[in-house]
Amino acid sequence: KAGVTQTPRYLIKTRGQQVTLSCSPISGHRSVSWYQQTPGQGLQFLFEYFSETQRNKGNFPGRFSGRQFSNSRSEMNVSTLELGDSALYLCASSLAQGAGDTQYFGPGTRLTVL
Amino acid sequence: GQNIDQPTEMTATEGAIVQINCTYQTSGFNGLFWYQQHAGEAPTFLSYNVLDGLEEKGRFSSFLSRSKGYSYLLLKELQMKDSASYLCAVREEAGGSYIPTFGRGTSLIVHP
Repeated sequence: KAGVTQTPRYLIKTRGQQVTLSCSPISGHRSVSWYQQTPGQGLQFLFEYFSETQRNKGNFPGRFSGRQFSNSRSEMNVSTLELGDSALYLCASSLAQGAGDTQYFGPGTRLTVL
Repeated sequence: GQNIDQPTEMTATEGAIVQINCTYQTSGFNGLFWYQQHAGEAPTFLSYNVLDGLEEKGRFSSFLSRSKGYSYLLLKELQMKDSASYLCAVREEAGGSYIPTFGRGTSLIVHP
């Protein structure tokens, strides 16, 4: 079974631009979560989608948004990019939304904002 | 909100045993996870504890005490490939939502 895939793997943008990242979960997984990882803040939860609905949201500004499609694929969007948005963005999928579901991470998208 | 503490760095010798501790404070505990992350790679799941006690999985074991807000990850028969960052994450339930919070990670260096 194929793992979680993320595209693109690397991205360079300039301040003020917007960016869209894509995540394809493991086949059969319906929950997709997004995380930001930086050296300074570590791994931080952005949001989780299940059945095309945002179920949980971390403490990030409204510039960070996402959506999930009927095939469980998910996208996240960051508008008006800031230098501090440079980070590794990780997507993780699980079978369902629930306490005991294991999350499987994708390889991440490395975003650099200049 | 949550506060998760784990040591920044640990070193150990190949073949030895190492214990990585994690303490947390949360009002709606809903499970604790341990992940391994090698440099430049994504985290991979190691263990999940929601009830008190020890969960063993091969060379890795994880312990949880909810009353003490404490967990540890025990790695036995250390191998060089175990050199990685180990992340403790606590999931908190609030109003039907589940929010995971990660510790800063413990960088484990295994030397010959």
